[in-house]
Amino acid sequence: EVHLVESGGDLVQSGRSLRLSCAASGFIFDDFAMHWVRQVPGKGLEWVSGISWNRNNINYADSVKGRFTISRDNAKNSLYLQMNSLRVEDTAFYYCAKGRSSAISFALDNWGQGTLVTVSS
Amino acid sequence: QSALTQPASVSASPGQSITISCAGSSSDIGYYTSVSWYRQHPGKVPINIIYDVSNRPSGVSDRFSGSRSGSTASLTISGLQAEDEAYYYCASYTMGNIQVFGGGTKLTVL
Repeated sequence: EVHLVESGGDLVQSGRSLRLSCAASGFIFDDFAMHWVRQVPGKGLEWVSGISWNRNNINYADSVKGRFTISRDNAKNSLYLQMNSLRVEDTAFYYCAKGRSSAISFALDNWGQGTLVTVSS
Repeated sequence: QSALTQPASVSASPGQSITISCAGSSSDIGYYTSVSWYRQHPGKVPINIIYDVSNRPSGVSDRFSGSRSGSTASLTISGLQAEDEAYYYCASYTMGNIQVFGGGTKLTVL
């Protein structure tokens, strides 16, 4: 069974940094693309970033480009999101999600429970 | 990076069928087959219910079906049940090499 567990969410001040982690199990981690998706409480889903199985294809939503960096450690079955220059509007639940295939173009077929990032002014 | 356009809400009675539309463009839904749908109950994690326009993951009821016409995708739920009351989101891969979600549709089962 696929299991994704996010950690690292916290209350931080605007302008500071935070690093989220996602521990994966139950599947061959380095065969699949991985994503981060966020959701402001009570609002819709926003795709944040995706990384292909071999890190050759990485991209970001315009809203975070230049501030956030996605990475993965296939040896540790882990996904990360380094968030710099945080803004109040980055406040949201951040979900780690597994892609259906190795490329970031495919659907997200398993999601973690999410971790809450709160950015104060 | 415009979000896909969904109706804010739809409603129907148990046993009826509903269709939720998801309007995109020639740069996303109109070009790629990587169109997916997700269901999210309040306070819960999203679940993938349709991938590649019309395919159902194992374990998803055949009451759920997906289709596409031009740049608009649709999710149809037949034989509505109380448990179907939830938020539904569409998503698509785009020419910008990103995924984009729709704004979400709240389904109310009357």
